[in-house]
Amino acid sequence: DQQVKQNSPSLSVQEGRISILNCDYTNSMFDYFLWYKKYPAEGPTFLISISSIKDKNEDGRFTVFLNKSAKHLSLHIVPSQPGDSAVYFCAAPYSNSGYALNFGKGTSLLVTP
Amino acid sequence: NAGVTQTPKFQVLKTGQSMTLQCAQDMNHNSMYWYRQDPGMGLRLIYYSASEGTTDKGEVPNGYNVSRLNKREFSLRLESAAPSQTSVYFCASLQGIGPPGSGANVLTFGAGSRLTVL
Repeated sequence: DQQVKQNSPSLSVQEGRISILNCDYTNSMFDYFLWYKKYPAEGPTFLISISSIKDKNEDGRFTVFLNKSAKHLSLHIVPSQPGDSAVYFCAAPYSNSGYALNFGKGTSLLVTP
Repeated sequence: NAGVTQTPKFQVLKTGQSMTLQCAQDMNHNSMYWYRQDPGMGLRLIYYSASEGTTDKGEVPNGYNVSRLNKREFSLRLESAAPSQTSVYFCASLQGIGPPGSGANVLTFGAGSRLTVL
């Protein structure tokens, strides 16, 4: 049973607009959440994280919001740029697995000029 | 500084053949991981090694074996390849110090190995 869920396989946004990528989780014991970005033919790269004791973390154009009561987090990209076109994965650490990450299925973002 | 290096980048096997995917990291990280990525399935953990000398099963270990050869190297072996093992395989490493997402605790991935089993 998947504990980290990304229910939108794809998203298309115009350049300059806001991109909102969503993630839901089932395990209330998760204490950190991370977002990774993946370009074709490359490995995923870390983008931003948030601790479960916070409700917002911002890094430049990227902001992650956490709603613990709803077991939901979202990644906002403002303004979106064509170079942001990639697959975005939401992740949380497995318990008792040496810091291994449990990934969602990913959302493919396309930013059009 | 190469980071995480995976070989080979591409491989085609016939059903029943065996092969080993190699992974090496030069960041002096303690922990290493093997994931597979399939369309619509995201990244799934196959095996991991929390520290040199230890290995443990992840979410989808069946059909695979691993060896943590030393602190730098972590290999993944398919003893008898099956078409269901057609996938892109990613190796990753992690220092394991500090909160996840902090400077010393970011999972760093290799570029991937694309395996096709006919």
